[in-house]
Amino acid sequence: KQEVTQIPAALSVPEGENLVLNCSFTDSAIYNLQWFRQDPGKGLTSLLLIQSSQREQTSGRLNASLDKSSGRSTLYIAASQPGDSATYLCAGSLGGGSNYKLTFGKGTLLTVNP
Amino acid sequence: GAGVSQSPRYKVAKRGQDVALRCDPISGHVSLFWYQQALGQGPEFLTYFQNEAQLDKSGLPSDRFFAERPEGSVSTLKIQRTQQEDSAVYLCASSLWDIGNQPQHFGDGTRLSIL
Repeated sequence: KQEVTQIPAALSVPEGENLVLNCSFTDSAIYNLQWFRQDPGKGLTSLLLIQSSQREQTSGRLNASLDKSSGRSTLYIAASQPGDSATYLCAGSLGGGSNYKLTFGKGTLLTVNP
Repeated sequence: GAGVSQSPRYKVAKRGQDVALRCDPISGHVSLFWYQQALGQGPEFLTYFQNEAQLDKSGLPSDRFFAERPEGSVSTLKIQRTQQEDSAVYLCASSLWDIGNQPQHFGDGTRLSIL
């Protein structure tokens, strides 16, 4: 069974700082790894999806990497802004017949202070 | 709108009542998922549909939970004889194809409170 852990549980930074959110998973046979953002009282917004054959994906100020051998993924946010404040969740799926089934971490609550 | 729509946004029920939660996926999306999110936790998988076929219901907590998608579009999650431990946010997601390298698009969820 895939287990996903996110560290830290909460992070507070001043505006403009670059930051890294960490995600670790127990099963290296990961099919894909997704990063999501969740605002209070809202659903999840997909940020980046990294397939098992890829090592990283970039979108604007966001960069996500995947290291299957070490069971880790990181989300790098450059030049953070107050609007980046949200909970960030990573989720992984395994290969085989259940590659659609996402296992989520508990998330990192990010606060970017003006 | 173009996103996943869920209704109602909030539902309060007394223990023992039946509830029905609705999900309208993005038009044309083949895959539909239901998740349960407890306070302070990540979402947990409940069930998966490919068109009208329920291919995986391994995450449903008990036989009180039932989901359907009869015409391959709108889906309903039904909970019978609700218990207090059923209180959570229920999220619906859809994706374009039935393979795992497509991002899942989530609705805003239904917050269910059982008194």
